Amino acid sequence: DAGVIQSPRHEVTEMGQEVTLRCKPISGHDYLFWYRQTMMRGLELLIYFNNNVPIDDSGMPEDRFSAKMPNASFSTLKIQPSEPRDSAVYFCASSLIEGRGREQFFGPGTRLTVL
Amino acid sequence: DAKTTQPTSMDCAEGRAANLPCNHSTISGNEYVYWYRQIHSQGPQYIIHGLKNNETNEMASLIITEDRKSSTLILPHATLRDTAVYYCIDAQTGANNLFFGTGTRLTVIP
Repeated sequence: DAGVIQSPRHEVTEMGQEVTLRCKPISGHDYLFWYRQTMMRGLELLIYFNNNVPIDDSGMPEDRFSAKMPNASFSTLKIQPSEPRDSAVYFCASSLIEGRGREQFFGPGTRLTVL
Repeated sequence: DAKTTQPTSMDCAEGRAANLPCNHSTISGNEYVYWYRQIHSQGPQYIIHGLKNNETNEMASLIITEDRKSSTLILPHATLRDTAVYYCIDAQTGANNLFFGTGTRLTVIP
């Protein structure tokens, strides 16, 4: 299994531009998570899905952020418009409801820099 | 806010056992102790979890005190590749909102 796949791995954009981050979870997993990691705030959960349905988006910082999961093998996190304070590493993770302790498998992350 | 407390950093000699402590004095009866680690520039990786009994797997051992207010993660023979930030998390089994906190930065020294 290739694990969780994220793209792009690095993204540099200018303030005000739209940014779309992509994630392919591990096949068969029924939960998908989006996290953000910064030096100041550490690793924060933004939103998670169960069977493609958003369950908890209380961590999404503001309306500029949106996430979708149109099918079981693909999810996007969009920031529009982007701001310098959105610069962070964004991780996607997936888990299986029957997995050991429902451990979460993380992707390699997307490093976003907003100038 | 973090429900667990861990030392900010620790060093361990290569080949020796690394013992990483964690305090979770407010843990409730249905909450497990999870350990994840994050190697530099990678996503976090699950290590082990437990409720009240000691647990061991191919990566580590988890020792939980009888009152469940603290635990220790043991890496029996630390290697340079074990240098990472280790997160101790208390959460209900299958919980989806894992609070990672600041963790312990373990440095394995040659």
